[in-house]
Amino acid sequence: DTGVSQDPRHKITKRGQNVTFRCDPISEHNRLYWYRQTLGQGPEFLTYFQNEAQLEKSRLLSDRFSAERPKGSFSTLEIQRTEQGDSAMYLCASSIATGGGETQYFGPGTRLLVL
Amino acid sequence: AQTVTQSQPEMSVQEAETVTLSCTYDTSESDYYLFWYKQPPSRQMILVIRQEAYKQQNATENRFSVNFQKAAKSFSLKISDSQLGDAAMYFCACKMYSGGGADGLTFGKGTHLIIQP
Repeated sequence: DTGVSQDPRHKITKRGQNVTFRCDPISEHNRLYWYRQTLGQGPEFLTYFQNEAQLEKSRLLSDRFSAERPKGSFSTLEIQRTEQGDSAMYLCASSIATGGGETQYFGPGTRLLVL
Repeated sequence: AQTVTQSQPEMSVQEAETVTLSCTYDTSESDYYLFWYKQPPSRQMILVIRQEAYKQQNATENRFSVNFQKAAKSFSLKISDSQLGDAAMYFCACKMYSGGGADGLTFGKGTHLIIQP
């Protein structure tokens, strides 16, 4: 049984460039979450999918951010025109819907550095 | 909106001793879930223990137990017989139950736990 995987693990980019991250959830999990974690802080919720539908987006998710989950399997998070403030760890988590209190299983994260 | 506060940026404990990590939260919901997650250095976050707000009995998982005080909105984690492998960042998190939908977890800033041999 494989866990949640994320690719790439590290990304360095220049300000203004676009980046895309991928998350592969645990195979039978129908919910998928994206979080952002900056140094010294806890993760902050960005958005979540149930199957292929994006059901909630945080105020933190500016117009430069877009997420997709085609066919309800893997998900991508794209950041357009990156800014230095986007430097953070981007975490993906997945779960099986059981009514609201299910455990989220986290991936190792993608660390983004914007120069 | 809900908030989670961890007032201890760092805690240190001798191996084999017991340590308690504090967490308070604020939510207007009556139905919610509380979690403690552990994030070892350069490794992914894993669940330590969870508590449903409607359950009065405190959750226990082997050496890990919680003291859930609903009226005080307090959710502390006790680690007994501390081991070197317990060294990590510990995050307290809260999740509302919103009518069958799902919301993201709200995390505290974390407590860095150091285990001294």
